[in-house]
Amino acid sequence: TQLLEQSPQFLSIQEGENLTVYCNSSSVFSSLQWYRQEPGEGPVLLVTVVTGGEVKKLKRLTFQFGDARKDSSLHITAAQTGDTGLYLCAGRYNFNKFYFGSGTKLNVKP
Amino acid sequence: NAGVTQTPKFQVLKTGQSMTLQCAQDMNHNSMYWYRQDPGMGLRLIYYSASEGTTDKGEVPNGYNVSRLNKREFSLRLESAAPSQTSVYFCASSPLLGREQYFGPGTRLTVT
Repeated sequence: TQLLEQSPQFLSIQEGENLTVYCNSSSVFSSLQWYRQEPGEGPVLLVTVVTGGEVKKLKRLTFQFGDARKDSSLHITAAQTGDTGLYLCAGRYNFNKFYFGSGTKLNVKP
Repeated sequence: NAGVTQTPKFQVLKTGQSMTLQCAQDMNHNSMYWYRQDPGMGLRLIYYSASEGTTDKGEVPNGYNVSRLNKREFSLRLESAAPSQTSVYFCASSPLLGREQYFGPGTRLTVT
């Protein structure tokens, strides 16, 4: 059983479209991170959110942390082919428990 | 700065063989982690080290041991490899436990 559920699992869109991916749990996170991973490489951190209701923007990427700190979303505006990759959320519970979701595989077609 | 380095990049073992995966970081980070990544499962934490001299079990520690050799190096040992340990292994480090993690390029291990 995955502690963190990510949806959708796969997403294939055209360049220029908008998309949102989700990360949900029944548990409360003390913090949550989003990573992007390209084939054959390790994940690279995009953002960390800590406060319930927090919204962070990174160019065309908008990250939102739910008010109850149980869920998060990543919205990409006007997707580009360079956004292709596996998007992973990772939640921290208590002091020393870390769990990754299984990821959303995004393919942006030219 | 190389960041986080891992050796080897690829390894094939026979069932029952042993091996050690090496990891080193040059960012002066206190915490280090070992994960495995299987298709459809995301990353699962095997062991972590909050600081030099300490190690703790993660979500899937069975069949593995770790050593925090010094602040820079954190190794993962498979004493008797099993086909279920076929996976991609990632090492990561962070300034403090739970902070942003920096990952190595991974080791692809196949156990036949």
